[in-house]
Amino acid sequence: QQQVKQSPQSLIVQKGGISIINCAYENTAFDYFPWYQQFPGKGPALLIAIRPDVSEKKEGRFTISFNKSAKQFSLHIMDSQPGDSATYFCAASGSGYSTLTFGKGTMLLVSP
Amino acid sequence: DAGITQSPRHKVTETGTPVTLRCHQTENHRYMYWYRQDPGHGLRLIHYSYGVKDTDKGEVSDGYSVSRSKTEDFLLTLESATSSQTSVYFCAISVTRGTDTQYFGPGTRLTVL
Repeated sequence: QQQVKQSPQSLIVQKGGISIINCAYENTAFDYFPWYQQFPGKGPALLIAIRPDVSEKKEGRFTISFNKSAKQFSLHIMDSQPGDSATYFCAASGSGYSTLTFGKGTMLLVSP
Repeated sequence: DAGITQSPRHKVTETGTPVTLRCHQTENHRYMYWYRQDPGHGLRLIHYSYGVKDTDKGEVSDGYSVSRSKTEDFLLTLESATSSQTSVYFCAISVTRGTDTQYFGPGTRLTVL
């Protein structure tokens, strides 16, 4: 199975709060886990990515937490801002694959 | 959008007509992908290419064909459009395979009446 399950489908967070989006995968051959951010009317763009040799990666207000034994990874957005309102996709792939498997996306709304 | 253009950007067509969408890149990346995006389904891979004349199917390839005769161009053809193919179509490119960053184009909104 190559599914990547993403939750929640939608999320409303107050400005300054923490947004958390979770993903779970099944294929133990996956070793690359990116998150893509998509604003309305635009194509997705890479936000941050992690490989399983580390359990956490932080870039500014965005952090990926990775739990290899549980086959789960999550995106945390600290101090969420209205400008973070977008759709977020998790994805997974491995060195033996030519493609990315995407989750179904989470629509995040950060209220002012 | 990282040197990727898609044409047309919007198209309305009728059921049963053929439609071709074009993706053009100026980055000389080897890999090119076609996705469709639908509410509740996220991004689903239709076809991808790993070189000129080298293509493979994705998870939702039925009803679609592709061609890549030049590095810079990747065409997606709906041989006989159906209403279920109404969607937003994105092209993406990457230097290498799955574990590399994919750069997405601006999308084509296709409506099949």
